[in-house]
Amino acid sequence: EAGVAQSPRYKIIEKRQSVAFWCNPISGHATLYWYQQILGQGPKLLIQFQNNGVVDDSQLPKDRFSAERLKGVDSTLKIQPAKLEDSAVYLCASSLGLGQGHGERSGNTIYFGEGSWLTVV
Amino acid sequence: GDSVTQMEGPVTLSEEAFLTINCTYTATGYPSLFWYVQYPGEGLQLLLKATKADDKGSNKGFEATYRKETTSFHLEKGSVQVSDSAVYFCALKNYGGATNKLIFGTGTLLAVQP
Repeated sequence: EAGVAQSPRYKIIEKRQSVAFWCNPISGHATLYWYQQILGQGPKLLIQFQNNGVVDDSQLPKDRFSAERLKGVDSTLKIQPAKLEDSAVYLCASSLGLGQGHGERSGNTIYFGEGSWLTVV
Repeated sequence: GDSVTQMEGPVTLSEEAFLTINCTYTATGYPSLFWYVQYPGEGLQLLLKATKADDKGSNKGFEATYRKETTSFHLEKGSVQVSDSAVYFCALKNYGGATNKLIFGTGTLLAVQP
């Protein structure tokens, strides 16, 4: 089974430029997540989609970050304009279900891609 | 809000040494607990999980027991190998709301020397 695919793997841009990252989740997974992992910190959820709807974007800096999942499959995360502090690994992840209610079921397991490494100079 | 605290690294061990990485959490209700591992240049991989108090998760020789009384989920391995060198993240998932969100600790770098 193919895993979560992300591209590009590495990107270096100057501050105030824009960048876009693409993610293709595991086939059939309804839920897609974008996490930001700054060096030395744990991943932080930026946005979560259920099909093509947003479930949680409370920690997305909406003045510069945007994300979409128009057809409920692949997704794009954009940063415009980039700041130095946006240097991080951007992890895409997916799961079969949303995990509502109690209990950890196999459909709730979250699978991560290899990440897109962004350096802003 | 919910949070995870894990011991700072790096942790440097010789091959075949015993490993413990401490993890404690703060959460309402009854979260599920996880350990993820990140090998150099790779994404996060689920290592093990536990979904209720006193459950023990295990995989690849690693173990962790969900201790509700001490709000802990310490990772242990009896004999580490060089190939275990990676960053280890403790995480929780709470089911009180409408999301399936993982909350991570800051990660602990493990370096195993031959």
